[in-house]
Amino acid sequence: KNQVEQSPQSLIILEGKNCTLQCNYTVSPFSNLRWYKQDTGRGPVSLTIMTFSENTKSNGRYTATLDADTKQSSLHITASQLSDSASYICVVSAHYGGATNKLIFGTGTLLAVQP
Amino acid sequence: DSGVTQTPKHLITATGQRVTLRCSPRSGDLSVYWYQQSLDQGLQFLIQYYNGEERAKGNILERFSAQQFPDLHSELNLSSLELGDSALYFCASSTSGTRNTIYFGEGSWLTVV
Repeated sequence: KNQVEQSPQSLIILEGKNCTLQCNYTVSPFSNLRWYKQDTGRGPVSLTIMTFSENTKSNGRYTATLDADTKQSSLHITASQLSDSASYICVVSAHYGGATNKLIFGTGTLLAVQP
Repeated sequence: DSGVTQTPKHLITATGQRVTLRCSPRSGDLSVYWYQQSLDQGLQFLIQYYNGEERAKGNILERFSAQQFPDLHSELNLSSLELGDSALYFCASSTSGTRNTIYFGEGSWLTVV
């Protein structure tokens, strides 16, 4: 069964601190792994996309890693800001050929950055 | 701004009624996806269209239907609404290809009373 599990479920950190969010998946056939940021009540916004051969991808203060052997990914946030408070969703794509991508969503990690 | 436009932004309707949610994808995107997000729940995939044809189906109820028109905009029709259908409905679009970025709209808030 295709599954994406994220941890922790929620996290509170102080402004300026770093944090790491985890994602474990069992998805086949694996195509790519994406991290999204979703502000409350807003649409998710793409942070990174990584394919099987990519180990690290950065987007500003966000750095995602992928270990395709262990089927794990992490999202590291550096020097957190209040605006980083959001839900971070790990999404794994299974590609069934042509234009058919099945996205399997994790339930997200809710991050709260406090002053 | 993702370039994906959804209307209406908010909608309140009674049980048993029918509503239509509309989505205009990003210019040039052929794929349109619909997702449902209930309160404190993750995103649930409903259905995908590609260039007017249904491409993949998720956990979409029989009371729900969707279509993608020749101009590539899409509509999600929800009928015989129940209280449990209250949720945020997202449309997303992408180009073809496996590394395509999927862009989400801002969602349509549906409240069934």
